[in-house]
Amino acid sequence: KAGVTQTPRYLIKTRGQQVTLSCSPISGHRSVSWYQQTPGQGLQFLFEYFSETQRNKGNFPGRFSGRQFSNSRSEMNVSTLELGDSALYLCASSWRAAYNEQFFGPGTRLTVL
Amino acid sequence: AQTVTQSQPEMSVQEAETVTLSCTYDTSESDYYLFWYKQPPSRQMILVIRQEAYKQQNATENRFSVNFQKAAKSFSLKISDSQLGDAAMYFCAFLSGNTPLVFGKGTRLSVIA
Repeated sequence: KAGVTQTPRYLIKTRGQQVTLSCSPISGHRSVSWYQQTPGQGLQFLFEYFSETQRNKGNFPGRFSGRQFSNSRSEMNVSTLELGDSALYLCASSWRAAYNEQFFGPGTRLTVL
Repeated sequence: AQTVTQSQPEMSVQEAETVTLSCTYDTSESDYYLFWYKQPPSRQMILVIRQEAYKQQNATENRFSVNFQKAAKSFSLKISDSQLGDAAMYFCAFLSGNTPLVFGKGTRLSVIA
């Protein structure tokens, strides 16, 4: 069974631009979660989608948004990029939202110049 | 809110020796899961071991085992017969039905040949 895939793997943007990251979960998994990883803040939860509905949202500004499609694939969007948005963005999938171990993708490294 | 604390930012171990990584957590939930994830330099987060709070028996996966002390809210990871491939960041994480996955800050483990 294929693992979680994330595209692109690397991205360089400039301040003020917007970016869209994509995550394809493991086949059969209906829950997708997104995390931001930085050296200073560690791993921080962004949001979680289950069956196309946002189930949980972390403490991030409204510039960060996401969605999930009927095939469980998910995208996250960051508008008006800031230097502080430079991070590794990890996506994780699980069969259902609660009480299930999550399987992580390789991440997307976003650099904002 | 749930919190996870890893008090050892860095640890080192000689190859073939045993090392224990510490993790404490704070929660008012009675039903939850605890995980140890490994993130090698390649960045792919890999699940090492999981523990259900309702199970008294400590989880074991080959050379990896945990010491789960529910009353003390402690969840340490023991790695036996350490190998060079064990070098990585290790994250302790907490999951309950009502909250997303919460990570500790991580412990960087070095393995000395």
